[in-house]
Amino acid sequence: DAGVTQSPTHLIKTRGQHVTLRCSPISGHKSVSWYQQVLGQGPQFIFQYYEKEERGRGNFPDRFSARQFPNYSSELNVNALLLGDSALYLCASSFGRPLQDSPLHFGNGTRLTVT
Amino acid sequence: QKEVEQNSGPLSVPEGAIASLNCTYSDRVSQSFFWYRQYSGKSPELIMSIYSNGDKEDGRFTAQLNKASQYVSLLIRDSQPSDSATYLCAVNGDTDKLIFGTGTRLQVFP
Repeated sequence: DAGVTQSPTHLIKTRGQHVTLRCSPISGHKSVSWYQQVLGQGPQFIFQYYEKEERGRGNFPDRFSARQFPNYSSELNVNALLLGDSALYLCASSFGRPLQDSPLHFGNGTRLTVT
Repeated sequence: QKEVEQNSGPLSVPEGAIASLNCTYSDRVSQSFFWYRQYSGKSPELIMSIYSNGDKEDGRFTAQLNKASQYVSLLIRDSQPSDSATYLCAVNGDTDKLIFGTGTRLQVFP
């Protein structure tokens, strides 16, 4: 079975631009979460979606937005990019509500560099 | 005070030894605890999950949880050079998010 797939794997953008990151969960998984990992730090929670509804939002500015589609895939959008947005963006999926039913399984991430 | 604290390391152990990784958390209502392994440049990979006080063993890995002390640990027996990685402790927060520590870098030398 395919794991969580993310695209693109690497991305270079300029300050002020917009970026869209994509994620396909493991087949049968209905929950998708997004995390940002800055070099040397642990992942930080951005969003969680379950059954296409937002179930949680981390402490990130409104420049960050996301959505989940009927096929449970998801997009993370970041507007007006700042240098500080440079990070590894991780998508994770699980079958149900992550912490009651099943742990998170992460994709390989998208490495975003903002210049 | 950070919500999840780990010693950043590096923790260096010889091949065949037991590696002990520790984590403390601040939120007493936390219910779920996870250990992830992350190789350099790769994504986190789930190693262990633990939900109740005591020990949970899986192969060479043992997770230990003490909710009264707000402490969770990971023991790796018979450490191998391939175990060299950063180990992330994660605890559930509200809204089903995971709160991660900064990770402990483990180095296993031959």
